[in-house]
Amino acid sequence: QKEVEQNSGPLSVPEGAIASLNCTYSDRGSQSFFWYRQYSGKSPELIMFIYSNGDKEDGRFTAQLNKASQYVSLLIRDSQPSDSATYLCAASGYSTLTFGKGTMLLVSP
Amino acid sequence: GAVVSQHPSWVICKSGTSVKIECRSLDFQATTMFWYRQFPKQSLMLMATSNEGSKATYEQGVEKDKFLINHASLTLSTLTVTSAHPEDSSFYICSAKQTPGRNTIYFGEGSWLTVV
Repeated sequence: QKEVEQNSGPLSVPEGAIASLNCTYSDRGSQSFFWYRQYSGKSPELIMFIYSNGDKEDGRFTAQLNKASQYVSLLIRDSQPSDSATYLCAASGYSTLTFGKGTMLLVSP
Repeated sequence: GAVVSQHPSWVICKSGTSVKIECRSLDFQATTMFWYRQFPKQSLMLMATSNEGSKATYEQGVEKDKFLINHASLTLSTLTVTSAHPEDSSFYICSAKQTPGRNTIYFGEGSWLTVV
């Protein structure tokens, strides 16, 4: 069974710090990986996607992928209280898409 | 990014009635759409996968006769909650897979259903 694991949190960081969110996946056939942010009472919104090993940066966000370790992470630099949300990791194979249960991030002022 | 629109955003209905929720991909074709349900403070729960022109594939434990899904075109899928009961009150979210593309999924805004 294809699984995506995330620590449910909450992960608490002070404003301005780097938040590190981690995700592992079980299906070695997974090819694409996505990070979504979901605010309470809202639907998820796509933040980043990554296909290749290494780092991908977009503004304050950096996604990291290590296929050998089956590990994906999302770094948020200069965390802001507005970043407080649940972050969902998803792994996509040829015809499947599996979501983790999400990690709650709390950024305190 | 691509846009997925859901309608209505919120709906209140009486117990025993049926409610239809629409999910549209506005600027791309979506051969596959997904329907989720999310209760407060809980994670997304996949209800069914809908493929254009064919029957939906329901997840275990989801009643296909109660949650009717239709995906008649490449840009529209509908979820009908039949004979709704208060326990069906939830946040229903659709998502669509962009085609062609690398399986990127875009979510609709979600629909709050309250059954009274």
